[in-house]
Amino acid sequence: GENVEQHPSTLSVQEGDSAVIKCTYSDSASNYFPWYKQELGKGPQLIIDIRSNVGEKKDQRIAVTLNKTAKHFSLHITETQPEDSAVYFCAASMAAGNKLTFGGGTRVLVKP
Amino acid sequence: SAVISQKPSRDICQRGTSLTIQCQVDSQVTMMFWYRQQPGQSLTLIATANQGSEATYESGFVIDKFPISRPNLTFSTLTVSNMSPEDSSIYLCSVGRQGNLQEQYFGPGTRLTVT
Repeated sequence: GENVEQHPSTLSVQEGDSAVIKCTYSDSASNYFPWYKQELGKGPQLIIDIRSNVGEKKDQRIAVTLNKTAKHFSLHITETQPEDSAVYFCAASMAAGNKLTFGGGTRVLVKP
Repeated sequence: SAVISQKPSRDICQRGTSLTIQCQVDSQVTMMFWYRQQPGQSLTLIATANQGSEATYESGFVIDKFPISRPNLTFSTLTVSNMSPEDSSIYLCSVGRQGNLQEQYFGPGTRLTVT
């Protein structure tokens, strides 16, 4: 089955700096890659996603890039703010209606 | 995105008992999923709950331990049976977005502690 690895497990950045989280997946059949943000005591929130026919997608301060050949994708957060502090999860899915396989998560701390 | 609620939000249970978790969505959805998130860990899919058919369980999860109901397109339940302390986790339901089933949205979770 699919295996998703996520790095780093923890990331501490100064407010205003950028944060980058990287994920690799094992199955080339995966075609959908969402990112979730989970704040303490809450369920994961979908913040951005990318499909295999696109190389990059942006939404304000967050962007995701995908390299299908290398089977890795990354989340970029620019101009980080304290409210960006949370645990971020990447995931991969192979087909419509299919399950999401999650990475191990990255705990991001933005220091004011 | 759909509004998803779960009940209870948290519970403390004795070992050997069972707890049923409810998931309610404010619109009809085809696909519903149940995940487990052990303390400080990532999310693991327990099963896919489909209306009108039996749930599909992932490796390592069995129906006797985690029975699931899906009586209609807006509601599902997950029961954690014969609980042990190892079942202490956050249990999350998610729904697939209609028309784009790969997108999934999560409920707030149920925090279960088994003593």
